[in-house]
Amino acid sequence: DQQVKQNSPSLSVQEGRISILNCDYTNSMFDYFLWYKKYPAEGPTFLISISSIKDKNEDGRFTVFLNKSAKHLSLHIVPSQPGDSAVYFCAASARRNDMRFGAGTRLTVKP
Amino acid sequence: DGGITQSPKYLFRKEGQNVTLSCEQNLNHDAMYWYRQDPGQGLRLIYYSQIVNDFQKGDIAEGYSVSREKKESFPLTVTSAQKNPTAFYLCASSRLQENTEAFFGQGTRLTVV
Repeated sequence: DQQVKQNSPSLSVQEGRISILNCDYTNSMFDYFLWYKKYPAEGPTFLISISSIKDKNEDGRFTVFLNKSAKHLSLHIVPSQPGDSAVYFCAASARRNDMRFGAGTRLTVKP
Repeated sequence: DGGITQSPKYLFRKEGQNVTLSCEQNLNHDAMYWYRQDPGQGLRLIYYSQIVNDFQKGDIAEGYSVSREKKESFPLTVTSAQKNPTAFYLCASSRLQENTEAFFGQGTRLTVV
């Protein structure tokens, strides 16, 4: 039973436009949410996170939004760059250090 | 340089053999994890450990075993009981505190033939 879901396996956007990646979760005990970026045959690298006490967190071109009532979070990348092309994983934890991941969304940014 | 090292990067084994994947970290992290990645299924938690000599099962622990004899090391053994062992295995570590991210190794691609 997947507790973290990324329903869009892929997303394609034009360079300079906004990329919006979505994530839904079912476990209401989750209180910390993270986004990771992954290239093929490599380990994921941490991108940005948000605590359940917030509804928005920004870091440069990356912004994560959290809607607790809808159990939904999203990652916005503005402006999108070709180097952003990768697989993005959403993750969530309910207590210290026990993360669950979504299936990932492959983002392609076209020049 | 601090980080997590997984070895080897590629591993081939015959069906029915046990195989052990190595994971070492020099980040002084208390918590360590093993995930498995299959196409279209994201990362699934196999085992995790928050302290030496203690570990807990994740969502798909059947057919796997781990040990945590040292803080720096968390090896994963894929046993012959694992029905579909061919996958990409990722090790991670983190500080033992709330709201902290995990750092991942480069992964080991295990192929069982």
